[in-house]
Amino acid sequence: RKEVEQDPGPFNVPEGATVAFNCTYSNSASQSFFWYRQDCRKEPKLLMSVYSSGNEDGRFTAQLNRASQYISLLIRDSKLSDSATYLCVVIPNDYKLSFGAGTTVTVRA
Amino acid sequence: DADVTQTPRNRITKTGKRIMLECSQTKGHDRMYWYRQDPGLGLRLIYYSFDVKDINKGEISDGYSVSRQAQAKFSLSLESAIPNQTALYFCATSGTANYGYTFGSGTRLTVV
Repeated sequence: RKEVEQDPGPFNVPEGATVAFNCTYSNSASQSFFWYRQDCRKEPKLLMSVYSSGNEDGRFTAQLNRASQYISLLIRDSKLSDSATYLCVVIPNDYKLSFGAGTTVTVRA
Repeated sequence: DADVTQTPRNRITKTGKRIMLECSQTKGHDRMYWYRQDPGLGLRLIYYSFDVKDINKGEISDGYSVSRQAQAKFSLSLESAIPNQTALYFCATSGTANYGYTFGSGTRLTVV
């Protein structure tokens, strides 16, 4: 079983729509969680950390469900510029990050 | 200047050739990492280093070697390149894992 699994998508949504997707992780001892954004052929960039109580950053909301071992990302009022691949990242121990393969979101005009 | 600089950005090499990918960072971080990315597989860790004297294998280190020349420099070598090493390679640095990573722009390597 992979450490981190994501629905690859693609999620194809119109501008202004809300899109949400999850990521599951296998190591129940994982302590830290992130969402990264990756544009085509470019480096991943940190989008937001995911806190136990859930957190928002503008139009983006991240949630953590430890009991079911998944995290989620919700994007409200989607913009064309939100089109990207979103990588779920989990820290199962102190020394490395485990990456999901990514969920592709395409926002259409 | 970028916080993490990788060279070259693109490289095409022949099977059996030795190639080195270089990474330098200006963030002053101790931790440096090399990942490769393949379509549908996400990023996989090749090697990581917590300081100049500390080098560790990641999950896919076979066929690769690294050198930590200084706190700011971490290079990845393919001793004898093979076609299935064709991938996008990223160098990254972090203060600690819990603060996330800063990535370089990547090196697109093609082995023919």
